[in-house]
Amino acid sequence: QKEVEQNSGPLSVPEGAIASLNCTYSDRGSQSFFWYRQYSGKSPELIMSIYSNGDKEDGRFTAQLNKASQYVSLLIRDSQPSDSATYLCAVNALASYDKVIFGPGTSLSVIP
Amino acid sequence: DAMVIQNPRYQVTQFGKPVTLSCSQTLNHNVMYWYQQKSSQAPKLLFHYYDKDFNNEADTPDNFQSRRPNTSFCFLDIRSPGLGDAAMYLCATSSRIAGHSYEQYFGPGTRLTVT
Repeated sequence: QKEVEQNSGPLSVPEGAIASLNCTYSDRGSQSFFWYRQYSGKSPELIMSIYSNGDKEDGRFTAQLNKASQYVSLLIRDSQPSDSATYLCAVNALASYDKVIFGPGTSLSVIP
Repeated sequence: DAMVIQNPRYQVTQFGKPVTLSCSQTLNHNVMYWYQQKSSQAPKLLFHYYDKDFNNEADTPDNFQSRRPNTSFCFLDIRSPGLGDAAMYLCATSSRIAGHSYEQYFGPGTRLTVT
């Protein structure tokens, strides 16, 4: 079983719609969760971090964490073509203070 | 602005010719990481430092080495690059406080081509 799983996509949504990206993880004791956006040929850019159950909103982005169900999601409201990218979910690795485990990423395409 | 800087942004080297990639940071973070990322794959951790403590991943080839001479700088040395080492190399930093590391911030990456 993979430690961090994401739908590989591609996920296509029309401009202005809500994009929903999901991530599940296997280590029940994980405490830190991150979403990164990566444009083709560029480096990952941190969008959100979340540590507690519930929702965390930042502009058009909302991260949702449910530790009991071991999933974390990212909602993008009013999706724009500029949101087209790969979204990486990362979860802290229990065996290390410093390491995270990345999911394989979900490719999002926002259609004008 | 505080940032993570990588040089060069693009590096072309010949098969077997040693190459060094550099990373510097102005975030004053105590953890630095080197990742390798190939097309359509997630970043793969090669090693990381907590201060001067070096942590090597078990599957990192011996061909890859790293140095961190001070808090701000970290280097990745590839002793004898092979065609399979062509990739994007990403440096990242984070802050470990009270046994917990927070968000990682990535530099722009170095695209390595091996001819």
